[in-house]
Amino acid sequence: KAGVTQTPRYLIKTRGQQVTLSCSPISGHRSVSWYQQTPGQGLQFLFEYFSETQRNKGNFPGRFSGRQFSNSRSEMNVSTLELGDSALYLCASSLGTSDTEQFFGPGTRLTVL
Amino acid sequence: QQQVKQSPQSLIVQKGGISIINCAYENTAFDYFPWYQQFPGKGPALLIAIRPDVSEKKEGRFTISFNKSAKQFSLHIMDSQPGDSATYFCAASPPLVFGKGTRLSVIA
Repeated sequence: KAGVTQTPRYLIKTRGQQVTLSCSPISGHRSVSWYQQTPGQGLQFLFEYFSETQRNKGNFPGRFSGRQFSNSRSEMNVSTLELGDSALYLCASSLGTSDTEQFFGPGTRLTVL
Repeated sequence: QQQVKQSPQSLIVQKGGISIINCAYENTAFDYFPWYQQFPGKGPALLIAIRPDVSEKKEGRFTISFNKSAKQFSLHIMDSQPGDSATYFCAASPPLVFGKGTRLSVIA
């Protein structure tokens, strides 16, 4: 069974640009969640999508947005990039109930210069 | 707002020793408490999880102790091995909220 895949693995952007990250969940998983991981703040929840609908949202500005497609693949977009957006962005998929395991992808390392 | 507080930030344990990581939560609506293990360059992976109706859960060398009244839970790693060296995150859901992580180093 293939795991969660994220593309690209590494990305370098400059301030003010926008970026789109992609996540392909495990087959059969309908929930996709996104997290930002930084040394200072740890793992912070961005949002969760379930059956193409945003089900939960963390405390991030509106520059961070996402969507989910009918095949459960998800994209995350960050507009007007800031230096502080440099982080590892992790995607996790699950069946969608609160106590089912979330399977994480390897992440996309975003560097904003 | 930090909903799950984890300590210590880093931990050094001798091979064969016991590693203990503690977490405390605030939201009494949380009903699932997993622990994740993360190696460098990898995403976190589920290690063990517990529901609040159970006070302890053991899987191999890993044990979660859960104290509902104190809103605290901890991870014990028995007979710690160098291969256990990783960053450990406690979490609570829903939605999944993580502690800030503990970097464990097991030295021979």
